Parts: sequence; C-alpha cells; structure tokens
Amino acid sequence: NAGVTQTPKFRVLKTGQSMTLLCAQDMNHEYMYWYRQDPGMGLRLIHYSVGEGTTAKGEVPDGYNVSRLKKQNFLLGLESAAPSQTSVYFCASKREDSSPLHFGNGTRLTVT
Amino acid sequence: AQSVTQLGSHVSVSEGALVLLRCNYSSSVPPYLFWYVQYPNQGLQLLLKYTSAATLVKGINGFEAEFKKSETSFHLTKPSAHMSDAAEYFCALSGAGTALIFGKGTTLSVSS
Repeated sequence: NAGVTQTPKFRVLKTGQSMTLLCAQDMNHEYMYWYRQDPGMGLRLIHYSVGEGTTAKGEVPDGYNVSRLKKQNFLLGLESAAPSQTSVYFCASKREDSSPLHFGNGTRLTVT
Repeated sequence: AQSVTQLGSHVSVSEGALVLLRCNYSSSVPPYLFWYVQYPNQGLQLLLKYTSAATLVKGINGFEAEFKKSETSFHLTKPSAHMSDAAEYFCALSGAGTALIFGKGTTLSVSS
C-alpha cells in the first residue's frame, strides 16, 4: 500500500518555466491538499479539493493552479515559476473531516 | 476564523527530562486538533489527534496531549525525552468543513 506518492522528488527550474507536480493516493480519500513548507513559516495551504472535480483556494494560492480530474490524483501547476516559489511542497489526503492527514514525502523545488 | 499558535520555535531538553510543547488555538467551530512530527527530509507523521472524545489523548512514542477548552490549549507532553525525539513538531487545527491549518512549528532538541 503506497499511501501518498509525490513526483518528482526534486526539481530545479529557471524563472519563467512551468511545471506540474503530481500527487497520487491509493486510499480512496475524498480530500486532498497541497501545502508549501518554508523555514519558520510552518506549512501553508495552497489549494485543496474535497472531491473529484472540485478545487478551492487556500492561504497562498497565487501563482499556482490545480486540477482533480480523477479522485486519486491532485495536480499542482506552476505556469511561470518565480524564485519566491522555491520551497518544499507537500501533498496530503484524508478520508473525511475529522480524519488525520496522510502526507507524501515532499517535492523540493528550487527556482533560479 | 481559525488560527494556531505554537509558543516557542525552539525547545531544548536533556535526555530523560519532561517534554512540553505548547499550542494554543482559536476556532469558531468545534475543533479537531492534531500533533504531527517531522524528521529531517521526511514528510509529516501523525502523533495524536483530538476529535471531541476524551480530552486526554495518548499518541505514539509515549506522547500525549490534553485538550483544555477553557484555555484554548492543546499542549503536547512526554514524561521522559529520548534522543530519538529530536525533530520538528507541528500543531494543527481543523473544523467541520474547514481545511487543516498548521502552527509554525517547534524544533525539539535533546541533549545527552
């Protein structure tokens, strides 16, 4: 049972390039989330989804887009990367409101 | 509005000493509260959760936390610290229909 899988694990982009981060979960969870983690800032919510075909903005959504076309996948896109988007990105999922989150191992993104 | 405040970004204890990591919250709905631990270069793992059952919650690795509504607190404790407890700890909050938000984290150092 893989849980939550994030690809890629590492990536270096130049300013202005685009990329998509993939999150896949095999637990049939309804809720999926994208967070970014920066030193001293904790985890901040970028976007989330409460079910297939739905998405919503979190605390820091600017510069990111997401899609949830299939229940098991949640994609995070950067259309035009900026150095401020250098961070570690975590995907997470959960079954229902009161359930704890299950986290992937993160994607370390550097934008130069 | 919801918020989580972790008091102290860095806590240092000696091996065998009491561990106390402080978390206060603000929530307009009945809260679900969680503590997560993050070891270097890894994702977050659930330590324990409070979802309106018993106010004293026991978690993994000997940790426990007590929900105190009157003090809006959910402090994490462990009677005797081990070297392996050195990590970053996050308190998190959600409510019915709301996304999980995190405190900024507390780094626990354990010295021999």
